Amino acid sequence: DVKVTQSSRYLVKRTGEKVFLECVQDMDHENMFWYRQDPGLGLRLIYFSYDVKMKEKGDIPEGYSVSREKKERFSLILESASTNQTSMYLCASSTKTGYTFGSGTRLTVV
Amino acid sequence: AQSVTQPDIHITVSEGASLELRCNYSYGATPYLFWYVQSPGQGLQLLLKYFSGDTLVQGIKGFEAEFKRSQSSFNLRKPSVHWSDAAEYFCAVTNYGGATNKLIFGTGTLLAVQP
Repeated sequence: DVKVTQSSRYLVKRTGEKVFLECVQDMDHENMFWYRQDPGLGLRLIYFSYDVKMKEKGDIPEGYSVSREKKERFSLILESASTNQTSMYLCASSTKTGYTFGSGTRLTVV
Repeated sequence: AQSVTQPDIHITVSEGASLELRCNYSYGATPYLFWYVQSPGQGLQLLLKYFSGDTLVQGIKGFEAEFKRSQSSFNLRKPSVHWSDAAEYFCAVTNYGGATNKLIFGTGTLLAVQP
């Protein structure tokens, strides 16, 4: 089975910190995604990447950036964390046969 | 704009009763449709998906969904709900024919099961 691994299950960071959320997939998937999940809002797409060094903005990219230097790794970066970025963050990878999600990182910004 | 609507935020059913969760989509291209379930503190688990062919799709845990193009709907059903089905359910749509296959989610339906 494909595995998508998010490096941290829970994170607590201070306002203004630079935060890195890491995601690694163990298959040769070209497409990778970062979503944030908030109650009542479902999952909203932040950024996605369809190849190494390629990235596209999703629906809510403000305050975030991403990096994809290797095919298996897709990093989400909060340049200066703010309290409104407290959320659950989900990474996913996909091929034509489907999507696989990581377990999520619950980020709290204090 | 592409979107998915799940009109029911919360649903409560009795154990053993039937269940139908509604999903409507707005998508210009041929849609590929999914239902995911998320138990508290857990990640997303795929219940079923529709790409083409038979419009009635069978999934895991006894769930099924029917694609109705004329109604732009993909409702999820289960004939008899178990207490372990209490979770949040998400409908999602994408288009694999496109260059980038981003998945668009609805806002979710939270299911409670009464004993």
